Amino acid sequence: GAGVSQSPSNKVTEKGKDVELRCDPISGHTALYWYRQSLGQGLEFLIYFQGNSAPDKSGLPSDRFSAERTGGSVSTLTIQRTQQEDSAVYLCASSSDTITYEQYFGPGTRLTVT
Amino acid sequence: DQQVKQNSPSLSVQEGRISILNCDYTNSMFDYFLWYKKYPAEGPTFLISISSIKDKNEDGRFTVFLNKSAKHLSLHIVPSQPGDSAVYFCAASVNTGRRALTFGSGTRLQVQP
Repeated sequence: GAGVSQSPSNKVTEKGKDVELRCDPISGHTALYWYRQSLGQGLEFLIYFQGNSAPDKSGLPSDRFSAERTGGSVSTLTIQRTQQEDSAVYLCASSSDTITYEQYFGPGTRLTVT
Repeated sequence: DQQVKQNSPSLSVQEGRISILNCDYTNSMFDYFLWYKKYPAEGPTFLISISSIKDKNEDGRFTVFLNKSAKHLSLHIVPSQPGDSAVYFCAASVNTGRRALTFGSGTRLQVQP
């Protein structure tokens, strides 16, 4: 079956512009996560959606970051007034509600802020 | 505060030999541990996991060992193959409901033919 998809695969933007990153999780997966990986670093948790519950936004680094998940499926991560330190690979993962809680990752969006 | 640490940024082994990747953690609340493999320009791929109630889990050529008293886990790959060359991430999770993963910084494994 189809895995997690993300778009765009690459995004170059100028400092100060807004960007939107999209994630399409595996069908039927109720949990969706956003992470980012900065150069030479591990993955950093950003935000978590579970079904229709309020999202856990505790990992968002600033109020310039926000995310939505429409209809319990597709999610959009929005970064307003981008800064150079926002440059990273943004990864989306989804998970079914199983005991093992394995997460399945998309290929990521590489964001470069110039 | 890095709660999951992979102190070896890289590892090189010969094909057919054993690869041992190490991971240390500091948060005693972690109750589930996972290893992911990542190729360039791809997302991480789940490899193997272990619950904190176990000390070993084996899947084919891959075995994960957990030493809770030392807060240490390791991934053994036997025998190593050139296709195993990738970046390996250790990750850990706390049963808070959200199950977000805390990742180490990764170890780049290169298996020499």
